Amino acid sequence: GAVVSQHPSRVICKSGTSVKIECRSLDFQATTMFWYRQFPKQSLMLMATSNEGSKATYEQGVEKDKFLINHASLTLSTLTVTSAHPEDSSFYICSARDKASGGGSYNEQFFGPGTRLTVL
Amino acid sequence: RKEVEQDPGPFNVPEGATVAFNCTYSNSASQSFFWYRQDCRKEPKLLMSVYSSGNEDGRFTAQLNRASQYISLLIRDSKLSDSATYLCVVNVMIYNQGGKLIFGQGTELSVKP
Repeated sequence: GAVVSQHPSRVICKSGTSVKIECRSLDFQATTMFWYRQFPKQSLMLMATSNEGSKATYEQGVEKDKFLINHASLTLSTLTVTSAHPEDSSFYICSARDKASGGGSYNEQFFGPGTRLTVL
Repeated sequence: RKEVEQDPGPFNVPEGATVAFNCTYSNSASQSFFWYRQDCRKEPKLLMSVYSSGNEDGRFTAQLNRASQYISLLIRDSKLSDSATYLCVVNVMIYNQGGKLIFGQGTELSVKP
């Protein structure tokens, strides 16, 4: 159980185009999903926290108009990189927190396999 | 200063060796602590949680010292399959936002035959 999928796994696009990445929880409902970005040899950096039915919370320095997040259902969150440029090339990873885990200080996050974005 | 600091390595060790990784964190609001493993070009996978009392899972032992904000991971009898990047991760509670994970840069381990 607790499987998270991401689509696409890899995308190459031209500079200026927009790219949408989907994150799905396959066997559980996720009220909260997280989007991370990882550059080579660097740590995962949290970009935003996505809550079902409400606006995403973006981390400092992340442009909300450039990285559009939609969490329309309990099993799907999307990240759209608008007007992508070469510096946006990175490994984008989502994670999801199981709604059934309830409250508490920590509920395990389940990670998707990641999407490798290359902007030419 | 990074919130979670690790020696990036790489650590190159022979099979069967014992290797130790260290990590320090700066946010005193950190409530939960973990070691994750990340293979090249893959997502991170939870290796183990870390508790003040110390915990062991087979060849892996993790330790937390809250007073000095220090976390460690010990791997005994290294296997070739242990080659990966080990990420030190803390969960920080943010008022009105719940918890969020802060990742260290990772320590690269290469186990050689």
